[in-house]
Amino acid sequence: AQSVTQLDSQVPVFEEAPVELRCNYSSSVSVYLFWYVQYPNQGLQLLLKYLSGSTLVKGINGFEAEFNKSQTSFHLRKPSVHISDTAEYFCAASGTYKYIFGTGTRLKVLA
Amino acid sequence: DGGITQSPKYLFRKEGQNVTLSCEQNLNHDAMYWYRQDPGQGLRLIYYSQIVNDFQKGDIAEGYSVSREKKESFPLTVTSAQKNPTAFYLCATKGGASNQPQHFGDGTRLSIL
Repeated sequence: AQSVTQLDSQVPVFEEAPVELRCNYSSSVSVYLFWYVQYPNQGLQLLLKYLSGSTLVKGINGFEAEFNKSQTSFHLRKPSVHISDTAEYFCAASGTYKYIFGTGTRLKVLA
Repeated sequence: DGGITQSPKYLFRKEGQNVTLSCEQNLNHDAMYWYRQDPGQGLRLIYYSQIVNDFQKGDIAEGYSVSREKKESFPLTVTSAQKNPTAFYLCATKGGASNQPQHFGDGTRLSIL
């Protein structure tokens, strides 16, 4: 079955520290991959996307992700987080019409 | 302003009542989706529509119904058959190509009275 796995349900990190949120996808899904951010009581906003080409993708708010085909991973990184980055982050893969979402990682940035 | 409008923001349902959640878009996207979000479970697909007058069941369609009479609108009805409707409901759209991202509305939070 097609799947997107986010192994960490919660990640606490101190302000100005680096962070990595992990995402693995099953090799059977399309390799169109996305990261979204969700703030409380809001919809999802697109952070970045991998469609093809360079495996390092830069997104908004200083986030970047690296597509690794051999490890079927698409981890999200930020070198220095801010309090305002506290939110839930979702990894997703695109099929022809349907999307597959991971269960989300709650990032909590501590002062 | 281009985007997706979901209304109402908060909705309360009485036992045995059907309620309808609105989703309107002006992005000119063909595909529209309804998701249900529960804590710790991510997003689960309820229904999706690729084109006007056509829609398909998602993974958790039981107790829900939709219509797609206009390109701009994709309302979701939560029927009395849905025994546990309390959740956050998200509407999304997508442009034509399969590699395009989905765009989301701000959601409707449904609770039981």
